Amino acid sequence: DAGVIQSPRHEVTEMGQEVTLRCKPISGHNSLFWYRQTMMRGLELLIYFNNNVPIDDSGMPEDRFSAKMPNASFSTLKIQPSEPRDSAVYFCASSPGQAGGYTFGSGTRLTVV
Amino acid sequence: QQQVKQSPQSLIVQKGGISIINCAYENTAFDYFPWYQQFPGKGPALLIAIRPDVSEKKEGRFTISFNKSAKQFSLHIMDSQPGDSATYFCAASYDKVIFGPGTSLSVIP
Repeated sequence: DAGVIQSPRHEVTEMGQEVTLRCKPISGHNSLFWYRQTMMRGLELLIYFNNNVPIDDSGMPEDRFSAKMPNASFSTLKIQPSEPRDSAVYFCASSPGQAGGYTFGSGTRLTVV
Repeated sequence: QQQVKQSPQSLIVQKGGISIINCAYENTAFDYFPWYQQFPGKGPALLIAIRPDVSEKKEGRFTISFNKSAKQFSLHIMDSQPGDSATYFCAASYDKVIFGPGTSLSVIP
C-alpha cells in the first residue's frame, strides 16, 4: 500500500486566492482526518469523516474552510479566500476505525503571501 | 477537559541514555493512548500505544507506563540513539485523537 497520499506537497498562494488540498486515504480505512500543524498551536484536528460522512467539524476555524469526502478514496480541504494566517502544514490521516492508530500523509506545506 | 498536557517541551539526552517524556489528561472517557514520532518534513507515525487496562507496554526500546488513577502516562526510550532524534507526541482518544503539544528530543553522541 502506498500509504496516505496528499497533494500538493507545497503550495504558495496569494492572499485571497482559493486553495484546495487533496488526500487519498489507505484503501479499506473508513475514517479520515484533517489536521493542521503550526509551531504555535501544534497539531489541531480540523474535521473528521467516518464512512465518508463528516462527524465533527468543530475544529474548522472559519467558514472560509470547507472539506468534502465524495467517496471512500478521496477527500479535499478547501480554503476560500486564503489568508496569511492560514500558512501551516496540513495533514491528512486515515484509520480503520474512528479512534486508534492513524496513518498520516506527508502533509501539504501551505504558504499564503 | 479535552486537553493533553506534555512535558518537557524539549529534551537533550546522551547516546545510550534514557529519554523520558511525561503526559497527563483530564477526560476519563479517553480509552486509547498512542504515541507518535515525527521527523522533519514527515507526518507523525504511530510508535506505540496502550489502553488503560494495562499499566505498562514495551516494544523494543520503547516503553509506555500508564497510571490510570493519576491520569498520567509516560514514554521511556531506553538506550537512546541519535536516530531517535525527533518530535514525540503523546495523544489520547475515545472517538478522535487529541494530541499533546510535542517534545523535541535530541540524542547527542
